[in-house]
Amino acid sequence: KAGVTQTPRYLIKTRGQQVTLSCSPISGHRSVSWYQQTPGQGLQFLFEYFSETQRNKGNFPGRFSGRQFSNSRSEMNVSTLELGDSALYLCASSPDPSDRTDTQYFGPGTRLTVL
Amino acid sequence: GQQVMQIPQYQHVQEGEDFTTYCNSSTTLSNIQWYKQRPGGHPVFLIQLVKSGEVKKQKRLTFQFGEAKKNSSLHITATQTTDVGTYFCAGRVYGQNFVFGPGTRLSVLP
Repeated sequence: KAGVTQTPRYLIKTRGQQVTLSCSPISGHRSVSWYQQTPGQGLQFLFEYFSETQRNKGNFPGRFSGRQFSNSRSEMNVSTLELGDSALYLCASSPDPSDRTDTQYFGPGTRLTVL
Repeated sequence: GQQVMQIPQYQHVQEGEDFTTYCNSSTTLSNIQWYKQRPGGHPVFLIQLVKSGEVKKQKRLTFQFGEAKKNSSLHITATQTTDVGTYFCAGRVYGQNFVFGPGTRLSVLP
């Protein structure tokens, strides 16, 4: 099976712009989670989607939003970018979060730089 | 909210020495997972622990889940240069999201 794919891999934006990141989970996986990784804050949870429904949301401002499509692909959007949004954004898929084996498979990430 | 702490933050060992990282949660967990992230890479799943007092082994790696399901440890015996990376624990309360610890960065000197 192909792994988790994320596009684009790298992005450079300027403050005030918005950005959309995409994640395609492993085939058959219905759960997608998003994380922000920075050197200072580590891995911070953004959202978790399952069957197009947001199950959990992290402590991020409303500028961060996401959605999941019927084919389980997910997108996250960040509006009005700030310098502090520069980070590696990781997507992780898992088969079914209600399963006791809710292993997360991470994608390679999207490196976002805000200038 | 739920917090997960890890110690140490950094560990430098000579190749062949043992290494242990400890993970502590502020709340009782339904399960805990461990991940390894190589420099420039993404987190890769290592193992999941579910039962109180559970111990699992993977070759030179030994994982433990505390009796109270609030702490866990990862022990590597006889480290190798391929063990270099950051080790994260991630704890989950059922129905809630995973919370990652800050990680322990392991350096192995040849």
